[in-house]
Amino acid sequence: QVTLRESGPAVVKATQTLSLTCTFSGFSLGTSGMCVSWIRQPPGRALEWLALIDWDDDKYYSESLRTRLTISMDTSKNQVVLTMTNMGPVDTGTYYCARVGWSTSYPDYWGQGALVTVSS
Amino acid sequence: QPVVTQSSSASASLGSTVKLTCTLNSDYSGHIVAWHQQQPGKAPRYLMKLEGDGSSNKGSGVPARFSGSTSGADRYLTISDVQSEDEADYYCETWGSNSRVFGGGTKLTVL
Repeated sequence: QVTLRESGPAVVKATQTLSLTCTFSGFSLGTSGMCVSWIRQPPGRALEWLALIDWDDDKYYSESLRTRLTISMDTSKNQVVLTMTNMGPVDTGTYYCARVGWSTSYPDYWGQGALVTVSS
Repeated sequence: QPVVTQSSSASASLGSTVKLTCTLNSDYSGHIVAWHQQQPGKAPRYLMKLEGDGSSNKGSGVPARFSGSTSGADRYLTISDVQSEDEADYYCETWGSNSRVFGGGTKLTVL
């Protein structure tokens, strides 16, 4: 059974750095073809892709947020960490991590999401 | 860079059939897309992957009344025998140029 769970602070102050952890089970990020993506959703708005890390530790970022994002993995802990610097009120929203399966190449299992509010 | 366009809203009567459209920009007209469903207050759920030739690969537990098809740059999600629980936002996603892109989503209202 594949599960993912996001964890991190519910509130961050403007200009601070956000660090979110995705803890997963039921698959290994060491398996060829496996990836984990981070996606966010501002309140009442559409999904926005942020970053992806693959089994080979290759990393891909949203072009518009590239300079603020860092994604990393710890395969021994089954965790993927996303950091976003210089947070602002527009970054308020729900942050999801999702498994990108080797057979689907798309997010086929999603976490429940973590709501992050940026206070000014 | 891929661009994904979706209508903002659609409606369907209970028990009817509705077809949602996702359109890719011309440079990516042959690309694979994924459809995701997001019911109110819930996380998104993977429905299917849809190839440029119209073949699809549905996620675990996705009802048979959800199907996909393709025509040129358009990728369709068809829901047959619409149920009340199908009222949700539906997102189309693709990837290219080392990035992934979601469409703006279609809000489906069940009448």
